[in-house]
Amino acid sequence: GAVVSQHPSWVICKSGTSVKIECRSLDFQATTMFWYRQFPKQSLMLMATSNEGSKATYEQGVEKDKFLINHASLTLSTLTVTSAHPEDSSFYICSGTRGTGELFFGEGSRLTVL
Amino acid sequence: AQTVTQSQPEMSVQEAETVTLSCTYDTSENNYYLFWYKQPPSRQMILVIRQEAYKQQNATENRFSVNFQKAAKSFSLKISDSQLGDTAMYFCAFMKSEEDFGNEKLTFGTGTRLTIIP
Repeated sequence: GAVVSQHPSWVICKSGTSVKIECRSLDFQATTMFWYRQFPKQSLMLMATSNEGSKATYEQGVEKDKFLINHASLTLSTLTVTSAHPEDSSFYICSGTRGTGELFFGEGSRLTVL
Repeated sequence: AQTVTQSQPEMSVQEAETVTLSCTYDTSENNYYLFWYKQPPSRQMILVIRQEAYKQQNATENRFSVNFQKAAKSFSLKISDSQLGDTAMYFCAFMKSEEDFGNEKLTFGTGTRLTIIP
């Protein structure tokens, strides 16, 4: 299957700082990328959908000014958590699709805000 | 809106035995896809099996098979000859029809934590 890689896997930051998480499709061009948030022992909640070169579409209840998503190329999408607070601590997962109906997931990034 | 329900938060089974994970869903759509994803301790989600709603035949993938009951909106996963490497969180997921390809929004269930006991 196709490979999606996230970086960093773990990040710890101080409250009030911003953190950027990268999601790369390594061997395919991802027409669309999705960002999810997963709380401990819970399901994945879709945060936003991003298409290359256009603004991301955010799910209801997700603050677009706090969670900035950029999809600069067909192989890279970034999620920036701005002015992070402890309640933003979570596991963030991205996935990419090449338009065939199958999603390929990254390894996830654990964010801890102190 | 679609909902996906997994009523078994945790299950455990002896190695080599067969286990069935349940999943029900609710939708008004007629054409859709159903998936089972596996999330091992390493955290990367892996597709286990996929079922197209318009296909009556149940999907199989080696030791993994599904029992898809469209009228009952049920989609269970059977793992035969379970192995230690099957230990993981399993998520059932729903996606609308192929018209949404390129915008594949998945709705996930809450997951079942499966432990294979040596």
